[in-house]
Amino acid sequence: KQEVTQIPAALSVPEGENLVLNCSFTDSAIYNLQWFRQDPGKGLTSLLLIQSSQREQTSGRLNASLDKSSGRSTLYIAASQPGDSATYLCAVRPDYGQNFVFGPGTRLSVLP
Amino acid sequence: DTAVSQTPKYLVTQMGNDKSIKCEQNLGHDTMYWYKQDSKKFLKIMFSYNNKELIINETVPNRFSPKSPDKAHLNLHINSLELGDSAVYFCASSHRMGTLNTGELFFGEGSRLTVL
Repeated sequence: KQEVTQIPAALSVPEGENLVLNCSFTDSAIYNLQWFRQDPGKGLTSLLLIQSSQREQTSGRLNASLDKSSGRSTLYIAASQPGDSATYLCAVRPDYGQNFVFGPGTRLSVLP
Repeated sequence: DTAVSQTPKYLVTQMGNDKSIKCEQNLGHDTMYWYKQDSKKFLKIMFSYNNKELIINETVPNRFSPKSPDKAHLNLHINSLELGDSAVYFCASSHRMGTLNTGELFFGEGSRLTVL
């Protein structure tokens, strides 16, 4: 059974700092991995999707990496801004089923 | 254009009532999902459904049932509501695996259910 964990659970940084969020999964048989952002009271917004054959994806100040063999992904946020404050969730889609498995999220606060 | 839309956004009701939440996607996806996000913000899959297969999370009470009139809609019907059903329910959609696509998951804005 696939399990996904994320550390840290919460993170508070000053504006401008570069930061890394971590996601770990127990079963390396994945189809893809997706990073989301959730603002309070809102739905989930897709940030980056990495296919199992890819090592990383970039979008603006965001870079996500995937090491399937070790069951890890990182989300790197460069030059953080207060508008980046949100909860960040990772989800993996196993090879053997349709259902994505979510991590518990990392709550990020970027202080002005 | 809203990709995945669900209604209502807020729903307040009494214990024992039956309620439905509607979901529609205009992305041409063939698989739709319902997720529950509890007070601790943890997202758990309830159902995934395409026109051939319904996968039910075994922890979901049978008071919850998905109903799909067509490929673009997956409604969630809940019978005999209980206090513990209070949560935010999210609809999502994607292409199923094995087709030539990325398999990216898209979410609706959520429906906050409060049972009194």
